[in-house]
Amino acid sequence: DAGVIQSPRHEVTEMGQEVTLRCKPISGHNSLFWYRQTMMRGLELLIYFNNNVPIDDSGMPEDRFSAKMPNASFSTLKIQPSEPRDSAVYFCASSFRSGDSTDTQYFGPGTRLTVL
Amino acid sequence: AQSVTQLGSHVSVSEGALVLLRCNYSSSVPPYLFWYVQYPNQGLQLLLKYTSAATLVKGINGFEAEFKKSETSFHLTKPSAHMSDAAEYFCAVRGNEKLTFGTGTRLTIIP
Repeated sequence: DAGVIQSPRHEVTEMGQEVTLRCKPISGHNSLFWYRQTMMRGLELLIYFNNNVPIDDSGMPEDRFSAKMPNASFSTLKIQPSEPRDSAVYFCASSFRSGDSTDTQYFGPGTRLTVL
Repeated sequence: AQSVTQLGSHVSVSEGALVLLRCNYSSSVPPYLFWYVQYPNQGLQLLLKYTSAATLVKGINGFEAEFKKSETSFHLTKPSAHMSDAAEYFCAVRGNEKLTFGTGTRLTIIP
């Protein structure tokens, strides 16, 4: 299996620009998670989907952030407009949820975002 | 609400020595607990998880962790450290449908 695929791996942009991060989960997984990692705040869950439906977006920082999952094979996290404080590593993870909470989340390699 | 506390943001051990990384949890329900490892510039990889089947959990790369309810702990150990163990380690607790991560412990191996 190819694992969770994220693109791009690195993104450098200027303040005010729109940024789109992409994620392809592991085939067969039905849950998808977006995390952000910074030195100051550690790993934070931004949003997660179950069967392509957003379940909890309480971690999304503000309206500038949005996430979609149009199908089981693809998700995007968009920041518009971007700000320097959005600079972080963004991880996508996926899992197969079968009814309990013991499923393992598999993480992608991350996208390192730098907003100048 | 669930939370985990990792004691020690940095731990250094000599190659061949015992590795002990500490994690204490807080949970209002029987917890599911996880240890993940992150190598530089990579995503997180599952080391092991506790799902109430057995209190001593064995994971990959020779790591194991013991769930102790009386101490609300889930410490990670490895009998003999290897240079390749240098990484950041995260403890996490599952509550509802979310994983809540600790702040991480950076493990350095001294040759």
